[in-house]
Amino acid sequence: RKEVEQDPGPFNVPEGATVAFNCTYSNSASQSFFWYRQDCRKEPKLLMSVYSSGNEDGRFTAQLNRASQYISLLIRDSKLSDSATYLCVVNTRASGSARQLTFGSGTQLTVLP
Amino acid sequence: EPEVTQTPSHQVTQMGQEVILRCVPISNHLYFYWYRQILGQKVEFLVSFYNNEISEKSEIFDDQFSVERPDGSNFTLKIRSTKLEDSAMYFCASSGTGGRSTDTQYFGPGTRLTVL
Repeated sequence: RKEVEQDPGPFNVPEGATVAFNCTYSNSASQSFFWYRQDCRKEPKLLMSVYSSGNEDGRFTAQLNRASQYISLLIRDSKLSDSATYLCVVNTRASGSARQLTFGSGTQLTVLP
Repeated sequence: EPEVTQTPSHQVTQMGQEVILRCVPISNHLYFYWYRQILGQKVEFLVSFYNNEISEKSEIFDDQFSVERPDGSNFTLKIRSTKLEDSAMYFCASSGTGGRSTDTQYFGPGTRLTVL
C-alpha cells in the first residue's frame, strides 16, 4: 500500500467551480499534515497545514480524519491561477526532532475559462 | 519574505563526475533537508540535517551522497560519482525550531541535474 495515496486526476473544472481532493495515508504514527501546490517544474509551495479540527484559509478548506487516515482539500470559487498539481504531504517524526515529509503523487487541477 | 535559495538552477554533468549542489536555507532555520523529484514522479526524501549531523536518511541516500554545512549559511549536497539515474530535480528545504515551526518545511526553487 502506498504511504500517501491521491487520485492523480486530472481534474478539469470551469472557473468558479468547487473542487475537492482526497488523500489517504498509511502510517498511523504520522503527526503533521499539509497540502502543497506545485506548478510545472517548480518547487512545492506550502498551501496550508491541516489540523484535526479542520481549518480554512480564504477559499481553501482542509480537513483531517485521523481515525480514517484521510485528508481532504476543498477549493471554492476556483480561479485560473489555481491550476497546479496539489500534493498531499504527511510528516512523520524521525529520530530526535527531525521529520521527513512523505509526498503523494499529486492531483493535477486545470481550471478552465 | 525570507526564502530558500539554490544554485545552480541547472547542472549538466558527465556520468561518473562529482557534483555539488548548493543551498542557502532561511536564516533562522536550524533543520535542513534534501529531496529529489525524478521527472514525472513524486518528491522523495533524501536526508535531514540538524546540529551539524545527519538526523535521518532514506534508502536513496547511499554512500555516493554526502551533505555538509561548510559555513553559517550554506548547505550542500555532494554526489561523488553521478549515475544516469541521478538525473532529477533536487530540492533543498528548511524548517524552524519549536513546535509546529519545525514541521513546516519551505522549499527552494531546485537544481535540475542532468547526467549524460
